[in-house]
Amino acid sequence: GQQLNQSPQSMFIQEGEDVSMNCTSSSIFNTWLWYKQEPGEGPVLLIALYKAGELTSNGRLTAQFGITRKDSFLNISASIPSDVGIYFCAGPSGGYQKVTFGIGTKLQVIP
Amino acid sequence: DGGITQSPKYLFRKEGQNVTLSCEQNLNHDAMYWYRQDPGQGLRLIYYSQIVNDFQKGDIAEGYSVSREKKESFPLTVTSAQKNPTAFYLCATGGGTEAFFGQGTRLTVV
Repeated sequence: GQQLNQSPQSMFIQEGEDVSMNCTSSSIFNTWLWYKQEPGEGPVLLIALYKAGELTSNGRLTAQFGITRKDSFLNISASIPSDVGIYFCAGPSGGYQKVTFGIGTKLQVIP
Repeated sequence: DGGITQSPKYLFRKEGQNVTLSCEQNLNHDAMYWYRQDPGQGLRLIYYSQIVNDFQKGDIAEGYSVSREKKESFPLTVTSAQKNPTAFYLCATGGGTEAFFGQGTRLTVV
């Protein structure tokens, strides 16, 4: 099946720093989704991207749909302690709109 | 309250017993999904259903079974054939190209 490669797999940053993470695929995606998961909870949808080249913001979060349609990027500006969690990229694949997830980027913010 | 309800939040079972995890939604979404999450492995798709009375195997369906008798409900049974059932199980629904998740059930088999 289709695979999504996320990097980095984990990162420690200082409060106030900006964060970048990315997701690549061996196949084309028509939609890119970014989720955040806090410990013991289900993932929550942060941003959805529908068009190649699209740049979308949600507060301090900005995500971009790559021009090749095989990658996507998520940036978090001026990180705060509550940004801690695992960030997943995802995209629908297959005729049944099966949603495939990346392995996640675990973010730790040092106050 | 609108949303996806998974129950229970924590579940303990003895090895060799079947156990059923509940997932109910009132979002009127056609698609429902079950994912398994293990540390460092992201989310892996167990089963999904696009319509009542129809469901498809995902990437790791062995040892699991599902039913979709109602649009609102998609229960997952973890059978004794599942070799390593201890994990965090997530149910999701989809109304288009996005998936929305429940709070998860942490299953521990002892």
